[in-house]
Amino acid sequence: QVQLQESGPGLVKPSETLSLTCTVSGGSISSYYWSWIRQPPGKGLEWIGYMDYSGSSNYNPSLKSRVTISVDTSKNQFSLKLSSVTAADTAVYYCAREKWFDPWGQGTLVTVSS
Amino acid sequence: QLVLTQSPSASASLGASVKLTCTLSSGHSNYGIAWHQQQPEKGPRYLMKLNIDGSHSKGDGIPDRFSGSSSGTERYLIISSLQSEDEADYYCQTWGTGMVVFGGGTKLTVL
Repeated sequence: QVQLQESGPGLVKPSETLSLTCTVSGGSISSYYWSWIRQPPGKGLEWIGYMDYSGSSNYNPSLKSRVTISVDTSKNQFSLKLSSVTAADTAVYYCAREKWFDPWGQGTLVTVSS
Repeated sequence: QLVLTQSPSASASLGASVKLTCTLSSGHSNYGIAWHQQQPEKGPRYLMKLNIDGSHSKGDGIPDRFSGSSSGTERYLIISSLQSEDEADYYCQTWGTGMVVFGGGTKLTVL
């Protein structure tokens, strides 16, 4: 069965760019939609965006100006970049397959702090 | 605007059944949803995709105790024979062209 694993720095400085990668194993990335979701400490879930394997993407309007999701089919990976981060971007970031998130990755905590 | 509304909390006794509700905003009764479970200190787990006719497809390894149903703008998650590990936050979410929406989540306490 397909599994997803997030990776990337756990600490990012304010105003810099947060970069995360999700590695897909047990299945090909060359189909389906691939999503990013985040959860600030003690709060609910927030959709960031999704992309299909061909590169067509959609983003949360509240984050759209700062977000880029890309896919690397050769590595079976997809990535998230969030620019100009602030403390409000501190959260656990999850990757998931499809628009209904089946399955989820285990998540990775990213803290924005100087 | 598409909004999903969930009660912030619910409780039920060990071994009993509970029905959690996710309400779609007016005019959006044609949306299916998905249910997700988040146990304390863990990441979310996909439970099922629930269609408007009440049919549902569950994730890998999800017990038969979990089921779903639909009525109008309401989507339900039914958990029978409650166990202690069912104590968790439950989120509904839906999707459309270019958007995804989450409900605020329901914290389920097993007494």
